[in-house]
Amino acid sequence: AQSVTQLGSHVSVSEGALVLLRCNYSSSVPPYLFWYVQYPNQGLQLLLKYTTGATLVKGINGFEAEFKKSETSFHLTKPSAHMSDAAEYFCAVRGDRGAQKLVFGQGTRLTINP
Amino acid sequence: ETGVTQSPTHLIKTRGQQVTLRCSSQSGHNTVSWYQQALGQGPQFIFQYYREEENGRGNFPPRFSGLQFPNYSSELNVNALELDDSALYLCASSLGGSGGSNEQFFGPGTRLTVL
Repeated sequence: AQSVTQLGSHVSVSEGALVLLRCNYSSSVPPYLFWYVQYPNQGLQLLLKYTTGATLVKGINGFEAEFKKSETSFHLTKPSAHMSDAAEYFCAVRGDRGAQKLVFGQGTRLTINP
Repeated sequence: ETGVTQSPTHLIKTRGQQVTLRCSSQSGHNTVSWYQQALGQGPQFIFQYYREEENGRGNFPPRFSGLQFPNYSSELNVNALELDDSALYLCASSLGGSGGSNEQFFGPGTRLTVL
């Protein structure tokens, strides 16, 4: 079975500061990993994904994440936070290649201080 | 290219009633997944339909049921509504089968309130 743990339900950073959102996963098979963003009263938008190959993945809006198998982590970073980055962020794993079920973490609410 | 759409956007029902939520998948997609997102939680997988057949189910009781139509749109039906069914219901479409993408595209969701 797959599971995802997001460390920190709330993260607050200043505008222009580094954003780091933590995600650890558990999977019995090589994982496919995803980060989604959710703005208030909206659905989920894919930021980036890791399937195979390069472990450093670049996504939209300047975000990137690094897959570290030895640490079972897939942390999301952005060098310089912008006010528009304020949202809820979800890490997800799809471990079973036969089905496309996603298992999500509890989410991290990112607040940007001016 | 039309994205994933869901209807209605909001719905209020009373305990014991039945509800049907609808989802139109993105053009070219043959797989629809449904998720329940309770307030302050991450989405929970309900079930998935691939080419009109159920293709996996999460830990939800049988009163949660679904359909997928030949045009790959889908319905989620919930019978005997309970207060805990109040949530945002998200539909996601993707291209399943061999060679399919791993990416699920989400709709805006239907906010269900059970009183």
